[in-house]
Parts: sequence; structure tokens; C-alpha cells
Amino acid sequence: GQQLNQSPQSMFIQEGEDVSMNCTSSSIFNTWLWYKQDPGEGPVLLIALYKAGELTSNGRLTAQFGITRKDSFLNISASIPSDVGIYFCAGLYGGSQGNLIFGKGTKLSVKP
Amino acid sequence: DAGVTQSPTHLIKTRGQQVTLRCSPISGHKSVSWYQQVLGQGPQFIFQYYEKEERGRGNFPDRFSARQFPNYSSELNVNALLLGDSALYLCASSPGPGGAETQYFGPGTRLLVL
Repeated sequence: GQQLNQSPQSMFIQEGEDVSMNCTSSSIFNTWLWYKQDPGEGPVLLIALYKAGELTSNGRLTAQFGITRKDSFLNISASIPSDVGIYFCAGLYGGSQGNLIFGKGTKLSVKP
Repeated sequence: DAGVTQSPTHLIKTRGQQVTLRCSPISGHKSVSWYQQVLGQGPQFIFQYYEKEERGRGNFPDRFSARQFPNYSSELNVNALLLGDSALYLCASSPGPGGAETQYFGPGTRLLVL
């Protein structure tokens, strides 16, 4: 089946540092999504990407849809303590929820 | 406005038992999807329902079943529980059958099977 390889698995960074994480797949996706999950909560959508090469920002977050359509990147600039959580990439190869594949997540910890 | 609500929040069952989890979608949303999230993994799609009909099913055994009611709320049932069914079960609602990016997740029900 389709799988997403998300890296790194975890990051422990200093407040104010920039963060980068990525997701790769052997399959092509037509949409890439990035979510954040806090403890005791469901995932919350951060950014959605629809076109190869697309670069989209949401505040301090920037994500890119890889040109090959097999990868995506998320960058967080000037991290703050509330950025702590687990970040998931998800690839969508069709229009419906059944075609949504999640990565295993990147756990971000921030030292104040 | 209320978001997606799920009940119960936590549940402990023993192997072989049956469990029913409940979900109320955001007002106006007609589609509900269920996901299983095992510790340390991303969510995995189980079912999608739209207008009371099953629209999609993930790679889960027949022990898993679901239904959607006229008010668009939904139940997920799991029979003959196994230890490996221990997970966070997430419900997500969306306005229509497509557009996975338009779905909103609930806080989940954490199920522990002993």
C-alpha cells in the first residue's frame, strides 16, 4: 500500500530557531496537507497544497508541494513554545477522505 | 459554534468485548469519517459516511462497522475486541462527501483493550 516517510521523527530545538520537516513517498499525490496535533486533541489542518511546485504560507509556517508530486516540506520560522506538538503530513491521491494517507508524524519540542 | 464532539472520551474494555463509539458532526456537515490512530502513528482511515450511506472503507476487518443517523451523527462499532484495537479513534466531519482538506477532527475516544 501507499506509505509516507516523514522525517525527522522528533526534534528538540531552542525557542527562536527555524524548523524544517519533510515527507516523501514512492507514489504521486495530487494534494498535500499538513496538520498539527496537540495532546488530547484531533489533528488541525495548517496548510493545504494543490499544485506541484506550490509554495504556501500561513503565518510563520511555509509549506511546499514538491515538483515530482512525491514530496512536501514544512518550515516553521522563529519557533515559540506553543509550536510544541506533533506535525503530520498527509497525501491525498483522490478526492475523498478514503484516499488520505498520513505520515507517522514529527514530534516537536521547544526549549524556552 | 460547537466543533465535532465524540463520546466517551476514554474507554477500557477486555478482549472479546464489543464497543460503540459516538460522534456528532459540526452543525451543517453531512459527512462523517472515522480514523484509527495507534500510538506513535498517523491516523488511518476506517470509514466515511455521507447522507447515511457508506462512501468509503479502509483496510479494516469486518469486526469494524459503522452507521450514520438521519441527524448525521454516527456510531462506530467494533466487535470481538483484540489488544491491537487499542488506539485513539478519531471522528472527522465535512460539509460534503469529498474534499478531505475540509474535514474537521474531533478530540477522539481513547480505547484501551486489556
